Amino acid sequence: GNSVTQMEGPVTLSEEAFLTINCTYTATGYPSLFWYVQYPGEGLQLLLKATKADDKGSNKGFEATYRKETTSFHLEKGSVQVSDSAVYFCALSISSGGGADGLTFGKGTHLIIQP
Amino acid sequence: KAGVTQTPRYLIKTRGQQVTLSCSPISGHRSVSWYQQTPGQGLQFLFEYFSETQRNKGNFPGRFSGRQFSNSRSEMNVSTLELGDSALYLCASSTAARGGAYNEQFFGPGTRLTVL
Repeated sequence: GNSVTQMEGPVTLSEEAFLTINCTYTATGYPSLFWYVQYPGEGLQLLLKATKADDKGSNKGFEATYRKETTSFHLEKGSVQVSDSAVYFCALSISSGGGADGLTFGKGTHLIIQP
Repeated sequence: KAGVTQTPRYLIKTRGQQVTLSCSPISGHRSVSWYQQTPGQGLQFLFEYFSETQRNKGNFPGRFSGRQFSNSRSEMNVSTLELGDSALYLCASSTAARGGAYNEQFFGPGTRLTVL
């Protein structure tokens, strides 16, 4: 089956620090990869995506590159802010040619940024 | 454009009862998916509806069911509630007309269900 593995945290960093959240996946097929972010009391928001190998998704200073050879999609940001404090989910979706497949999520990484 | 809306936002039920949750997708979105979020299991896919038909289903018991109306609004129902059904239930909508490599879903704020 499909699965996503990511560090759960909490990950605590100081403001302006460099961020890496690791994500690796197992998939029976060729997945699209996503990072979602969940702020307290809210639903999930799509942060960035990549649909094929070597694609780089980017948004709001966050980046992630689809690495097929290492089955990874690590999230990075050069300088984090307090407002980045949230839970980050790595997810994948498989094309089946039929109905829209449900997203398979990792457990989520709780990120805390201290001023 | 209004986002995905879910009602109610909070629910408290007792074991054995049943519950119905509602989701209104973004205008023009015909696909609606439901997810359960718990601290232990994380986010798990329940099912997906497109044009009033269930197209895909996760690994949940038959107590969990859903439907979609002609205006794309969706409801999910949980019968004979158990304590373990306490969770945040998230609805997501998409324009996806068919399964594809790109499946961007837009999530609502969720319904927090507590089973006592």
